[in-house]
Amino acid sequence: DTGVSQNPRHKITKRGQNVTFRCDPISEHNRLYWYRQTLGQGPEFLTYFQNEAQLEKSRLLSDRFSAERPKGSFSTLEIQRTEQGDSAMYLCASSSLVQPGIHNSPLHFGNGTRLTVT
Amino acid sequence: AQSVTQPDIHITVSEGASLELRCNYSYGATPYLFWYVQSPGQGLQLLLKYFSGDTLVQGIKGFEAEFKRSQSSFNLRKPSVHWSDAAEYFCAVAPNSGYSTLTFGKGTMLLVSP
Repeated sequence: DTGVSQNPRHKITKRGQNVTFRCDPISEHNRLYWYRQTLGQGPEFLTYFQNEAQLEKSRLLSDRFSAERPKGSFSTLEIQRTEQGDSAMYLCASSSLVQPGIHNSPLHFGNGTRLTVT
Repeated sequence: AQSVTQPDIHITVSEGASLELRCNYSYGATPYLFWYVQSPGQGLQLLLKYFSGDTLVQGIKGFEAEFKRSQSSFNLRKPSVHWSDAAEYFCAVAPNSGYSTLTFGKGTMLLVSP
């Protein structure tokens, strides 16, 4: 168990540029989540996948945001035309769905990607 | 929609003293409840969770939390704080229908004085 891995750890970009983050979950976990955390706030849910299917998206996930998990393993989160308000820590987490309708294993979080938009 | 309130933004505790961090939630039924800890520049680590049963839950690092349905609270406690406990603590809730997402509070920053 190597934990949840996120790359890069830090990203500085200019407003209007596109950025992409990667998350590698714990290998046997079939659920993958993206959260955003701004300064002084708790993490806010963005979206989650079960295997390769994106099952839920928050209203926070504007049209400029897109997430994929094409093979049900790693995931990418892309932000197009970045804005200064996108500056935040982007956290990825994974868990196992034991049985439908039964609680999952707890979420395991990565160390995050800190995005700064100048 | 569920929500979580952590009324204390910062708390300072002397090393060796006891600690209680407050958490209140709003939800139509009994939710799943969690406490996470985050050190600077790091992700979140699960301290403990409550799903059902015994309302006093034991976690890692000597932490415990008590679920009080009548007060919609899930306060985190530790009898003796260590300097390494200095971090930010987040309370979170999830629906008890087989949770898919967590709703976090804004966090409480714990400072430990010598």
